Amino acid sequence: KAGVTQTPRYLIKTRGQQVTLSCSPISGHRSVSWYQQTPGQGLQFLFEYFSETQRNKGNFPGRFSGRQFSNSRSEMNVSTLELGDSALYLCASTLRWQQETQYFGPGTRLLVL
Amino acid sequence: GENVEQHPSTLSVQEGDSAVIKCTYSDSASNYFPWYKQELGKRPQLIIDIRSNVGEKKDQRIAVTLNKTAKHFSLHITETQPEDSAVYFCAASQKNTGFQKLVFGTGTRLLVSP
Repeated sequence: KAGVTQTPRYLIKTRGQQVTLSCSPISGHRSVSWYQQTPGQGLQFLFEYFSETQRNKGNFPGRFSGRQFSNSRSEMNVSTLELGDSALYLCASTLRWQQETQYFGPGTRLLVL
Repeated sequence: GENVEQHPSTLSVQEGDSAVIKCTYSDSASNYFPWYKQELGKRPQLIIDIRSNVGEKKDQRIAVTLNKTAKHFSLHITETQPEDSAVYFCAASQKNTGFQKLVFGTGTRLLVSP
């Protein structure tokens, strides 16, 4: 099976712009979680979607949002970008709700100038 | 909410030595504890995990122990090899969030010298 894929892999934006990142889970996996990784804050949970519904949310401002489609693919959106949003954004997929093992994608590296 | 502390932040060992990384968690409701290895520029990869109904789990050179009473768990790597060099993250989650919300430690950079 193909692993978790994320597009784009690299992105450069300027402050104030918005960005959309995409994640395709492993085939058959229905839960997708998003994480932000920075040198200062480490790996932090953003949100998680299962069956097109947000089930969990981390402590990020409302500028960070996401959604999941019927084919389990997920997108996250960051509006009004700030310099501090520069990070590696990772998504992870799980077979189903209450199944523990998460498999990570390669990430999207976002640089905000 | 859950808080996971991880020590040490860096660990240097000689090839063949053992390495131990320790984590503590704060929420007694946490009951799933995975360990991820992240090589430079690559995705985190699950190397081993343990559930709260088990005290120890081993997979070849890697083992994890869990002490629920003390709320800490540890990763043990024996006979380290240069390819074990990477950043290791511990994490915790719980069933009431569907195990999906992983709270990570701050990471340990392991360097194995030949």
